Amino acid sequence: QITLKESGPTLVKPTQTLTLTCSLSGFSLSTSGVGVGWIRQPPGKALEWLALIYWDDDRRYSPSQKSRLTITKDTSKNQVVLTMTTMDPVDTAAYYCAHSRYYDGGYSFDIWGQGTMVTVSS
Amino acid sequence: QSALTQPPSASGSPGQSVTISCTGTSSDVGGYNYVSWYQQHPGKVPKLMIYEVSKRPSGVPDRFSGSKSGNTASLTVSGLQAEDEADYYCSSYAGSNNPFVFGTGTKVTVL
Repeated sequence: QITLKESGPTLVKPTQTLTLTCSLSGFSLSTSGVGVGWIRQPPGKALEWLALIYWDDDRRYSPSQKSRLTITKDTSKNQVVLTMTTMDPVDTAAYYCAHSRYYDGGYSFDIWGQGTMVTVSS
Repeated sequence: QSALTQPPSASGSPGQSVTISCTGTSSDVGGYNYVSWYQQHPGKVPKLMIYEVSKRPSGVPDRFSGSKSGNTASLTVSGLQAEDEADYYCSSYAGSNNPFVFGTGTKVTVL
């Protein structure tokens, strides 16, 4: 059974850097065709894709957030880490990580983590 | 890259059908057969309902169907049930440098 679980701070101050970890279970990011992405959702607003990393270390970023994001994977720990710099109150949102299948997933996210709420406030 | 455009709301009575549109451009929806749809109940995690325009993941009822014409994709929910009341988001591939663009979201109400 594939599961993902996000972890990280619930509160960060403006200008700080956010680091979120996605712990994977039931699959490995060293397996061909596997991808893990990050998506966020401000309260009452729409989903926004942020970043994606594939098994081969190919990384993709949202053009609008690219300058602030870094996504990495640690296959030994079966984790994916997202860092976002220069946090602002508008970045307050639920942050989700999700599983994607490169070969037959049609650029979709088929399994999502429970999400973690991050509030940006001084 | 702008978000895909969806109507803010849609509604229908139990047993009826409701169709939600998702309008993009030739650079996303119109250019690829990689449109997905997600269902999100209040306070819950999004759930994949449709991928590659019209394919249903295992376990998704066949009451949910997807289609595309030009730059607009659509999700139809037939035989509406109370549990279908939720927010729905579309998503499209928009090229290798922007593989995921989400829609603005549609709240479906079962009357």
